[in-house]
Amino acid sequence: EILMTQSPATLSVSPGERVTLSCRASQSVSSNLAWYQQKPGQAPRLLIFGASTRATGIPARFSGSGSGTEFTLTINSLQSEDFSLYYCQHYHGWPRTFGQGTKVEIK
Amino acid sequence: QLQLHLAGPGLVKPSETLSLTCAVSGVSIAGGTYYWAWIRQPPGQGLQWLGCIYDNETTYYNPSLESRLTMSVDTSKDQFSLRLSSATAADTAVYYCATRPLYSSGWFDHWGQGSLVTVSS
Repeated sequence: EILMTQSPATLSVSPGERVTLSCRASQSVSSNLAWYQQKPGQAPRLLIFGASTRATGIPARFSGSGSGTEFTLTINSLQSEDFSLYYCQHYHGWPRTFGQGTKVEIK
Repeated sequence: QLQLHLAGPGLVKPSETLSLTCAVSGVSIAGGTYYWAWIRQPPGQGLQWLGCIYDNETTYYNPSLESRLTMSVDTSKDQFSLRLSSATAADTAVYYCATRPLYSSGWFDHWGQGSLVTVSS
């Protein structure tokens, strides 16, 4: 099973700032990585797939990069609705696994 | 557009079978354009992929739960189901149904609203 490790657990940032979230895989997952946003009491929402492709309707301020074992999700000019929990997920083999999440909170 | 609506009991007794059904609207299950997935989230914890099913001949289960898991699809009702036998308190979680586009390698683009299932006597 591939272990996905996200860091940091919590990020405290101010609106308008740029934030970078990290996700590391215990072995290479190529570019088979997705990012999700989850707000309290809601289901996750797909943001990024293929490590860097934005899903339908996702604003351009969200971008993903990386391949192999190191990935980042960058949010430029953080908006109020972006304060949330973010998960990465690999789909390189079975079982699919998720990281433990990074919470982006208001500073 | 595609929507998923999850239904099931909120409370299951230990050792009993946890059963959930996800109704699909906006697309036909028989259309063959999606894999149908189950994911859960214990309270205050992260997400765990349980498995997915394409048709009743093609299933992928999480090895950690495979011995207790059964997934099925009912094309006549446009719904898919999960059964988890011998439930314990560790199975207490919000359960989500989700879709994986057939063309994708494994991301989940539509999610149901989630249903909290508590395993307790």
